[in-house]
Amino acid sequence: AQSVAQPEDQVNVAEGNPLTVKCTYSVSGNPYLFWYVQYPNRGLQFLLKYITGDNLVKGSYGFEAEFNKSQTSFHLKKPSALVSDSALYFCAVRDMLVLYNFNKFYFGSGTKLNVKP
Amino acid sequence: KAGVTQTPRYLIKTRGQQVTLSCSPISGHRSVSWYQQTPGQGLQFLFEYFSETQRNKGNFPGRFSGRQFSNSRSEMNVSTLELGDSALYLCASSFLQGPEQYFGPGTRLTVT
Repeated sequence: AQSVAQPEDQVNVAEGNPLTVKCTYSVSGNPYLFWYVQYPNRGLQFLLKYITGDNLVKGSYGFEAEFNKSQTSFHLKKPSALVSDSALYFCAVRDMLVLYNFNKFYFGSGTKLNVKP
Repeated sequence: KAGVTQTPRYLIKTRGQQVTLSCSPISGHRSVSWYQQTPGQGLQFLFEYFSETQRNKGNFPGRFSGRQFSNSRSEMNVSTLELGDSALYLCASSFLQGPEQYFGPGTRLTVT
């Protein structure tokens, strides 16, 4: 079964410090992995994706994510957090080998990131 | 290129009524998915349409239905509204093979 887990409901970090938001996944085939961010009363904004290639993926607003196949993880990272990064972050996965569901996304439960000045 | 648009942005309905929400995907996107987002349940998949056909459906009662038109615009309908249907309803669109989805701003439905 396909699934995504975000083990932390909330992550607190001081501005200027590095941040990590964790995500692990389970798919039967090859994973396509994504991170989205949601600000209050807004839709989800696409941050970055991993399809193939380098395990370190760079995305919008200085975010990056590291794909680790052996640990089935796709953690979101940023070297220096900003107060404006405070938002809800979602990890998502698509299983590209399951043809009938090849456009079905599985989302994690979300992690609230709090960046304090 | 214009993003995904959803109308209306806010709705207040009473129990027992029905509601129709609309979603216009990004131009060229033919796949449209709907999600329900609540504080307790997170983001839950409702259904996905492609070329006017429902391809995937989540675990929601039959009161929730949708359709897609030939121009890829989609609507979802909820009949006999319940208090628990209060949520942010999100629409997302993508190309056939994506891979990523792009989300609209959502429709905030409040059922009283």
